[in-house]
Amino acid sequence: ETGVTQTPRHLVMGMTNKKSLKCEQHLGHNAMYWYKQSAKKPLELMFVYNFKEQTENNSVPSRFSPECPNSSHLFLHLHTLQPEDSALYLCASSQDEGSDYGYTFGSGTRLTVV
Amino acid sequence: GQSLEQPSEVTAVEGAIVQINCTYQTSGFYGLSWYQQHDGGAPTFLSYNALDGLEETGRFSSFLSRSDSYGYLLLQELQMKDSASYFCAVRANQGGKLIFGQGTELSVKP
Repeated sequence: ETGVTQTPRHLVMGMTNKKSLKCEQHLGHNAMYWYKQSAKKPLELMFVYNFKEQTENNSVPSRFSPECPNSSHLFLHLHTLQPEDSALYLCASSQDEGSDYGYTFGSGTRLTVV
Repeated sequence: GQSLEQPSEVTAVEGAIVQINCTYQTSGFYGLSWYQQHDGGAPTFLSYNALDGLEETGRFSSFLSRSDSYGYLLLQELQMKDSASYFCAVRANQGGKLIFGQGTELSVKP
C-alpha cells in the first residue's frame, strides 16, 4: 500500500459503457494526477489538479472526464471508449504541483475496452 | 518537442553492478528523478537530482550532468528483487509536470 489507493484494480468495459475510476489519498497532498501507461511507451500525463482546480489537460479526448471534489479524491469518468484506450491508468499525488519530493503513485487500474 | 531516452532492456546477474542511462531534451530543466515499477505495481520514487553530481542512497546512486543533459541510475550488489522497470523523469519547468522516459526493464539473473 503506497498511500494512494485506486479502485477498481481491473476493469473490463464495452465501448458503449460508462464507468468511473477512483483515486484516494490521505497523505495531505495538494496535487493529484492521472497518467496513462501503455506497453513500451512513456507514462502519458492526462490531467493535473492542484488544490482541487484543474491546471492541465494534456489534449485528452472528451470521452475521459476528470473530477476532483476535494484534495483527497480524484475520479476519471469514462464513456464510449475505444479499444486503443486499453491501458493501465495510474493516479499520483504530490505535496504541491511543483514538489521536488517525488510523486506517490497508486497501483493503477488495468482497463480493457472490448 | 520534449523527450527522454533510456535503454529499453538491461540484463545483469546477481551481485553485479548495473548502470541505466537517461538523456533528455527538454525546454527547461528543474531536476531529474528516478522511479522503480515492479510488474503490476505502482511506480515508486527512488531519487532526485537537481544539481550536478552523485547522490547515494544505499545500494542505489543517481548521477546528473546538466551540461550533458544526461543522468544515470547505478544499482550495486544486484538482487533478484531489483528486477523491475526503471523510469527517468524530468521536470521541465518550475511548478510543472514530470515528463517520463519509456522505462528500462531490468532483469536480474541468478
